[in-house]
Amino acid sequence: DTEVTQTPKHLVMGMTNKKSLKCEQHMGHRAMYWYKQKAKKPPELMFVYSYEKLSINESVPSRFSPECPNSSLLNLHLHALQPEDSALYLCASSRSGQGAMQYFGPGTRLTVT
Amino acid sequence: RKEVEQDPGPFNVPEGATVAFNCTYSNSASQSFFWYRQDCRKEPKLLMSVYSSGNEDGRFTAQLNRASQYISLLIRDSKLSDSATYLCVVNILGNEKLTFGTGTRLTIIP
Repeated sequence: DTEVTQTPKHLVMGMTNKKSLKCEQHMGHRAMYWYKQKAKKPPELMFVYSYEKLSINESVPSRFSPECPNSSLLNLHLHALQPEDSALYLCASSRSGQGAMQYFGPGTRLTVT
Repeated sequence: RKEVEQDPGPFNVPEGATVAFNCTYSNSASQSFFWYRQDCRKEPKLLMSVYSSGNEDGRFTAQLNRASQYISLLIRDSKLSDSATYLCVVNILGNEKLTFGTGTRLTIIP
């Protein structure tokens, strides 16, 4: 089973709202990722958690706050977003962080109004 | 120079034809290579890993040329369901980051 699940599938939020995106995997993977993808562009890495520790932050604005409560779960907390943050947010996981293939969840389509 | 470069296409190919994509990468330390496909408004899905010896999975063949720093994907007997964007993805050993090419859009025409 190579399934990564994400909730919600769609999210519309105002610029003053606080919301969270959730990601879950039960493959025993030890690395989890958040990506942002705009239309007709490749995914852009935001954060990497390896063994539940934040290992990469690609200079993401602080209005995005990741959290890894345990090895199966990954959250992305959103606060005071801008309309340009509207995008598809993808979660991925891999067996380990180093060179391993990544499996993506279906994504959360976020619209900031 | 971009770290991973692909011809963005679009490639419009008749059903049953053979189509080939190339991708070049700039960092000679790159160690892991993958092809992903992404359907419109869906997530990227792993198509295949690419090994130095080349590998084949049904109608799909991937090749790696380390000397010239490029990887290729060949699709034989193309089907309508092969229509998608194909992403070339490279990982540098010891680095958790995947570097994506911009993707090549393929449309199979009936």
